[in-house]
Amino acid sequence: AQKITQTQPGMFVQEKEAVTLDCTYDTSDPSYGLFWYKQPSSGEMIFLIYQGSYDQQNATEGRYSLNFQKARKSANLVISASQLGDSAMYFCAMRGNQFYFGTGTSLTVIP
Amino acid sequence: DAGVIQSPRHEVTEMGQEVTLRCKPISGHDYLFWYRQTMMRGLELLIYFNNNVPIDDSGMPEDRFSAKMPNASFSTLKIQPSEPRDSAVYFCASSRWATDTQYFGPGTRLTVL
Repeated sequence: AQKITQTQPGMFVQEKEAVTLDCTYDTSDPSYGLFWYKQPSSGEMIFLIYQGSYDQQNATEGRYSLNFQKARKSANLVISASQLGDSAMYFCAMRGNQFYFGTGTSLTVIP
Repeated sequence: DAGVIQSPRHEVTEMGQEVTLRCKPISGHDYLFWYRQTMMRGLELLIYFNNNVPIDDSGMPEDRFSAKMPNASFSTLKIQPSEPRDSAVYFCASSRWATDTQYFGPGTRLTVL
């Protein structure tokens, strides 16, 4: 069964605008972690942000925030004030008893 | 602190040859993961270790693939014999504990001709 779903294969955003990348997950574990990674064209996987299932507040890291809606099982990534360097693949991942990655969303920032 | 180190960064080999990929995790991290990334299949977890012991190797595609972790600072992924369909980017990642953030190495781009 698929654990992580990213329904947007590609997204475009104007520079300096905000963008939301969607992620839904499926788990019956009471304790889990949700992650977002960025993979630029150079290929490395860069950790962006983490949300624990018991965390009361949404995680934020600079221009990145995670919109965590536990009842809806969604963990959307919000990037504020997009920059050209944000153009990359973005992967949502979940850690339960194993680590699951979504299929990714390709983000292109338009100048 | 140094990140996860992988070598080589690129490997080109011919079908049938043995390939060994190497990984040095972040010091103090007890978990080490090997992933494979292809366009067709995305990111796949191959195997992971806890304190040098293999915990789950269900993602290893077949017996041609083997992984070892002789000590806390070194792991290898070996493919013998290699086939063209093994061409992919292989990532190593490490984390402090099971539910902690995984930090990835730069990856090894493997091409099997």
